[in-house]
Amino acid sequence: SQQGEEDPQALSIQEGENATMNCSYKTSINNLQWYRQNSGRGLVHLILIRSNEREKHSGRLRVTLDTSKKSSSLLITASRAADTASYFCATEFSGYSTLTFGKGTMLLVSP
Amino acid sequence: GAVVSQHPSRVICKSGTSVKIECRSLDFQATTMFWYRQFPKKSLMLMATSNEGSKATYEQGVEKDKFLINHASLTLSTLTVTSAHPEDSSFYICSARDFLYSGNTIYFGEGSWLTVV
Repeated sequence: SQQGEEDPQALSIQEGENATMNCSYKTSINNLQWYRQNSGRGLVHLILIRSNEREKHSGRLRVTLDTSKKSSSLLITASRAADTASYFCATEFSGYSTLTFGKGTMLLVSP
Repeated sequence: GAVVSQHPSRVICKSGTSVKIECRSLDFQATTMFWYRQFPKKSLMLMATSNEGSKATYEQGVEKDKFLINHASLTLSTLTVTSAHPEDSSFYICSARDFLYSGNTIYFGEGSWLTVV
């Protein structure tokens, strides 16, 4: 499968700090999406960025996409303990209707 | 916003029995639903794509006779794990695509924990 890679696999920060997670993928895409998953729960859609977009913002989230490098980053600013979760990038490849998930980054935000 | 409901959220069954998990789109019609499996601290692996009114498309390595998928209506898909074994214990998540209101956004259910004893 065309699974993407996230790094770091785990990230531990203090409240108030920024958290940056990266995602790389292998082939051309239609769009890239970021999801959040609390332990043992379903996924929550955070943001979608299309292949012709370079940057997108949503509240404290900032996503960038570099299609030439086949990579994306998710920045969470002024993190909170409630941001503790796993974050996954998922790509939708042109011509496909499924999402292919990366391995995820486990974020721990300490009070 | 769109909501996808999964039921049950947790189920324990005995080896050799079958268990059914339901995935419902509550406020939109989903012609396509997806079933994923997730092991602890791992990513989601697509098992199959469920299409309303037709047979599901299974990913390579997924046994279609073991993981029966039915998508009988525009709001309901079911995954039946037949003759369950302990190695089938996992977290199963469904998702549904809402084409009408949110384009490419795919919404996920809360997942179902299956434990086979």
